[in-house]
Amino acid sequence: GQQVMQIPQYQHVQEGEDFTTYCNSSTTLSNIQWYKQRPGGHPVFLIQLVKSGEVKKQKRLTFQFGEAKKNSSLHITATQTTDVGTYFCAGYSGTYKYIFGTGTRLKVLA
Amino acid sequence: GAVVSQHPSRVICKSGTSVKIECRSLDFQATTMFWYRQFPKQSLMLMATSNEGSKATYEQGVEKDKFLINHASLTLSTLTVTSAHPEDSSFYICSARVRGGYGYTFGSGTRLTVV
Repeated sequence: GQQVMQIPQYQHVQEGEDFTTYCNSSTTLSNIQWYKQRPGGHPVFLIQLVKSGEVKKQKRLTFQFGEAKKNSSLHITATQTTDVGTYFCAGYSGTYKYIFGTGTRLKVLA
Repeated sequence: GAVVSQHPSRVICKSGTSVKIECRSLDFQATTMFWYRQFPKQSLMLMATSNEGSKATYEQGVEKDKFLINHASLTLSTLTVTSAHPEDSSFYICSARVRGGYGYTFGSGTRLTVV
């Protein structure tokens, strides 16, 4: 079945450093979504990417969708302590459901 | 924005009893609701998709007789964990999408502990 892997599994950064998480799907995706889950909380939708090679920005967050629509990345510039949490990608391949990635847990050290 | 209200947030039950979890879409109609299970520090595993007025679709490996799903109205879906055992202890969370919108809105989750 479809698998969505994310690397790294964990990342600790000093506040102010950049952070990137990578998402790789075993199948071509129609679109991909990104979510953030704070510790003890529930996932919160961040963004959806649809087009091949698409790049979207939200303040310090930059999202990319690969040309082959099988991978994606989330880059955070100059991390802040409020960025702490687990970032999940979720891929849609046309089966009426999204498959969540394995997640990347980010810790930001002040 | 869209809100999905999930109750209870925490529940502790004895082994062998049943627990019902409710998810309500407060300001939109959710014809489809997704139920996930999340173990500590792990990803969200889709358990089933509930559709208003019809039977739920369960993912492979999920026991439909153990995890009963009912989606009786456009704003309410319930998950009942029947004859719960300690291995059913987990974080259960639902999600739904506003028609025409992007992204899914998640409930706040239910932490189930079976003792």
